[in-house]
Amino acid sequence: DADVTQTPRNRITKTGKRIMLECSQTKGHDRMYWYRQDPGLGLRLIYYSFDVKDINKGEISDGYSVSRQAQAKFSLSLESAIPNQTALYFCATSDSGLDRAGNEQFFGPGTRLTVL
Amino acid sequence: RKEVEQDPGPFNVPEGATVAFNCTYSNSASQSFFWYRQDCRKEPKLLMSVYSSGNEDGRFTAQLNRASQYISLLIRDSKLSDSATYLCVVNYAGTASKLTFGTGTRLQVTL
Repeated sequence: DADVTQTPRNRITKTGKRIMLECSQTKGHDRMYWYRQDPGLGLRLIYYSFDVKDINKGEISDGYSVSRQAQAKFSLSLESAIPNQTALYFCATSDSGLDRAGNEQFFGPGTRLTVL
Repeated sequence: RKEVEQDPGPFNVPEGATVAFNCTYSNSASQSFFWYRQDCRKEPKLLMSVYSSGNEDGRFTAQLNRASQYISLLIRDSKLSDSATYLCVVNYAGTASKLTFGTGTRLQVTL
């Protein structure tokens, strides 16, 4: 079984709809992240959480919100989806610590979201 | 200027060739450096960390030049299975576990 799972894997929706992307992990990591990937722009950080009570904005948080329901679960919501939120979304986890081991991030398989 | 810059490629090389990718980063306070590999339509995975003294992992060699703010990845004896996008990744001091990704360099190894 995969250590980091994302649901759904693919989603097509319409402008204005509310969408939730879910991420679960069995790695026991306390840090979780949401990224989006667009052609030519690479991976950009949306939100990150270092533990259940800690939520932080990344570089592109506008239009998104998150919920850390448990150590193993981190959800990303688009309250009112718009076409420029069409992208590949990745969840990732990492262990805590300032050392190199704490910097390796493990990614889920991604959710391909299309907003029409 | 992007924080982490890479030549997007693609680099098309024959099997057995040696190929090198470069990456530059803008923040001199950068602390840790990595190469991730991403296969088409898949998630990124850590390939190797990059240490100041340079390091090897089999056919892969990574180098760091802090003075020039430059990172490189050398792949020797390329295999078809090396075809992927290689992401240069930087962690800035004081931002534990927050990584900044380059846009990636695509490699296509052919027969």
